[in-house]
Amino acid sequence: GESVGLHLPTLSVQEGDNSIINCAYSNSASDYFIWYKQESGKGPQFIIDIRSNMDKRQGQRVTVLLNKTVKHLSLQIAATQPGDSAVYFCAETGDNYGQNFVFGPGTRLSVLP
Amino acid sequence: DVKVTQSSRYLVKRTGEKVFLECVQDMDHENMFWYRQDPGLGLRLIYFSYDVKMKEKGDIPEGYSVSREKKERFSLILESASTNQTSMYLCASSTDSPFNQPQHFGDGTRLSIL
Repeated sequence: GESVGLHLPTLSVQEGDNSIINCAYSNSASDYFIWYKQESGKGPQFIIDIRSNMDKRQGQRVTVLLNKTVKHLSLQIAATQPGDSAVYFCAETGDNYGQNFVFGPGTRLSVLP
Repeated sequence: DVKVTQSSRYLVKRTGEKVFLECVQDMDHENMFWYRQDPGLGLRLIYFSYDVKMKEKGDIPEGYSVSREKKERFSLILESASTNQTSMYLCASSTDSPFNQPQHFGDGTRLSIL
């Protein structure tokens, strides 16, 4: 399959463990953040988003945490499964119309059996 | 679910050819985008469109043009393909109502220029 990123940081976790993927952003004016998952050979898939008036948001098996003080975003995946293996990247924008996102470089998550 | 469809998964063209990449979305989204994705460089915006016949340059528009004649369709054109345009091309769409909505992506076109 295609390689999304040859030089990405990699996180390896045991199946069933929790995963934490981090993202630092630079623009203090950013007020909307998204996590995407990209599997090999596919386009990025929306996972979860969070607005700057929140510091935590939960979805199914995923939680996003936002720390605006240190401009840090994290994605927590509970009970990591083999199907979670993918590249994960964050996106940020301060543009209300969603036209000017800045995308992070991504982290490759590898789930070990 | 939002469906963004790119016409080709793989495409091989020759240097100097004019190349068309097509993208269709089925959610009546106002915004459509073309990105390229290269190892180590992440997603880079080429062009976007916020309405029919409207277009805005992104970060790397040189060597590319776009066309949006209908709301659901956004085409990327490589006027004279060069080897440095070999890449994965991703199309995305989004709505701006209510504000702050995610972009939804197609599965990409892997373009090789020989």
